[in-house]
Amino acid sequence: DAGVTQSPTHLIKTRGQQVTLRCSPKSGHDTVSWYQQALGQGPQFIFQYYEEEERQRGNFPDRFSGHQFPNYSSELNVNALLLGDSALYLCASSLYRDTSYEQYFGPGTRLTVT
Amino acid sequence: LAKTTQPISMDSYEGQEVNITCSHNNIATNDYITWYQQFPSQGPRFIIQGYKTKVTNEVASLFIPADRKSSTLSLPRVSLSDTAVYYCLVNRNNDMRFGAGTRLTVKP
Repeated sequence: DAGVTQSPTHLIKTRGQQVTLRCSPKSGHDTVSWYQQALGQGPQFIFQYYEEEERQRGNFPDRFSGHQFPNYSSELNVNALLLGDSALYLCASSLYRDTSYEQYFGPGTRLTVT
Repeated sequence: LAKTTQPISMDSYEGQEVNITCSHNNIATNDYITWYQQFPSQGPRFIIQGYKTKVTNEVASLFIPADRKSSTLSLPRVSLSDTAVYYCLVNRNNDMRFGAGTRLTVKP
């Protein structure tokens, strides 16, 4: 049973460019959440997708957008990259109807903006 | 969601029991308390979750008093590989937010 997978593992982009990160949830999960984790800090919630719709959103600008596909996989898009967007981007999957809401995290994508 | 407060860092020695306490004064009736562990450059890993009283699994115990305004994660007989950041979260339905966590360092 595959866990949460993310691609790519590492990415280097230039300021002003756009980036797309990908996530495949754990088998059987229908909800994907994205987090940004800067060095030395806890993960910060970006948004959550369920049934191909954004259900919740954290305090992130519109430059951050996402998508969920019918197979539950998801993409995170960031436009007009800033140096401050350099971080580990984590994807987590869960089952929407699970009242305990245990999330399973992927290994993350390390984004460096130069 | 209730904000959580936990120590920034803790040190321990191999073989000792470690207790990390988290306060969540504004916890709501429907909220669960969940703890995650994170190693450098990896995603957080679920450790344990509880609603009230005591929960135990193969790696940890979670103690929650009756008023649920705090919780204590107990790690029995820690080893060097338990050196990590531990996050206490309050989650409700599909909402979960991380704080800064507690950096636990286990020394030989």
